[in-house]
Amino acid sequence: NAGVTQTPKFRILKIGQSMTLQCTQDMNHNYMYWYRQDPGMGLKLIYYSVGAGITDKGEVPNGYNVSRSTTEDFPLRLELAAPSQTSVYFCAIRDSRGSEQFFGPGTRLTVL
Amino acid sequence: DAKTTQPPSMDCAEGRAANLPCNHSTISGNEYVYWYRQIHSQGPQYIIHGLKNNETNEMASLIITEDRKSSTLILPHATLRDTAVYYCIVLAKYSGGGADGLTFGKGTHLIIQP
Repeated sequence: NAGVTQTPKFRILKIGQSMTLQCTQDMNHNYMYWYRQDPGMGLKLIYYSVGAGITDKGEVPNGYNVSRSTTEDFPLRLELAAPSQTSVYFCAIRDSRGSEQFFGPGTRLTVL
Repeated sequence: DAKTTQPPSMDCAEGRAANLPCNHSTISGNEYVYWYRQIHSQGPQYIIHGLKNNETNEMASLIITEDRKSSTLILPHATLRDTAVYYCIVLAKYSGGGADGLTFGKGTHLIIQP
């Protein structure tokens, strides 16, 4: 039981490149979230999903897209990477009956 | 606007109780107090949450004042592994939608001294 898995662990992108951050869970939780954390700051919500086929914007969605075709996967897409997107990205899950969120180990992204 | 106020850093001796304060003077009646911690850039870890009664679990205790305007997280016997950033978050009971997202401030960096 791995919980929440994120790949890759690290990535360096050039300005204008695109990439997909992967998030997979094996706990069958309905709710999934993407956060970003800039140096020395708390996490900010990018997008979230309440179930397969349903997604919605969080506090800082600009420059990102998501999809949720299955319960297990919630990929985050960056289409045109910018230096402002240099951050650590965390995926989290929550059971619909629970209160706590479970976080993945994060993906550290640098855009140069 | 931040809903919570926490000291930026605190020290505590190993083996002693660590008491982390949080002010949330504008908390609403339906908002819970949650505590998470983040150890050295790992993903945040849930610790405990409460509404108005004091709560205790295997990790910590949460003391909420009667007026609910402040709370204290207590780690009863701190170890070096408890060194982390601790976040106090207020959140209405999950009702679906964007309100589910946790709003993190800068938290308190707790350093356990050997």
